[in-house]
Amino acid sequence: LAKTTQPISMDSYEGQEVNITCSHNNIATNDYITWYQQFPSQGPRFIIQGYKTKVTNEVASLFIPADRKSSTLSLPRVSLSDTAVYYCLSTGGLTGGGNKLTFGTGTQLKVEL
Amino acid sequence: DTAVSQTPKYLVTQMGNDKSIKCEQNLGHDTMYWYKQDSKKFLKIMFSYNNKELIINETVPNRFSPKSPDKAHLNLHINSLELGDSAVYFCASSPGTAANYGYTFGSGTRLTVV
Repeated sequence: LAKTTQPISMDSYEGQEVNITCSHNNIATNDYITWYQQFPSQGPRFIIQGYKTKVTNEVASLFIPADRKSSTLSLPRVSLSDTAVYYCLSTGGLTGGGNKLTFGTGTQLKVEL
Repeated sequence: DTAVSQTPKYLVTQMGNDKSIKCEQNLGHDTMYWYKQDSKKFLKIMFSYNNKELIINETVPNRFSPKSPDKAHLNLHINSLELGDSAVYFCASSPGTAANYGYTFGSGTRLTVV
């Protein structure tokens, strides 16, 4: 599975838009980009997934440029409750052999008043 | 209703003991997983089952033995516990084995071996 690189930590204030960029230079043709959020003492929670261009849901937006070597998770108007670790993963396409997520270090987002 | 539930939430035990962690999902998913999160917060897959069949078995010591009695349950039994087994163990499930399925994780079992 392709390795991803993302900042270790980010700080923001309530009401701001937060953009977390992830680098995945060796992403395979069939790989998707998936983001998870993890609060302390909880399991990771699926946020958003995309293959190319832009994906938006009620939680976030995901921007993937044409070369797919990077992606940006955008959290609009963050609040204190968005303080968490955010993981960027590139996940293999249909393999028939099992879906194995490889988590990196993640980005610790801290939101302050 | 909790989608993926693990028991117990906390487990403190002595070295050498044998313990089990249970996991159940009520999402109707076909695939279940065990992940380990160590003190440095790295999440690593241990096992995956699809419709009760083992499909992923990472380089995990033989002391760890998963069991899936049906596709809604995946238990983890650990023999001869060691200090290094202390970690948070997460169970997860997904609709299938394709990568474009999101995982649903449980809230974790914090295992402390003393």
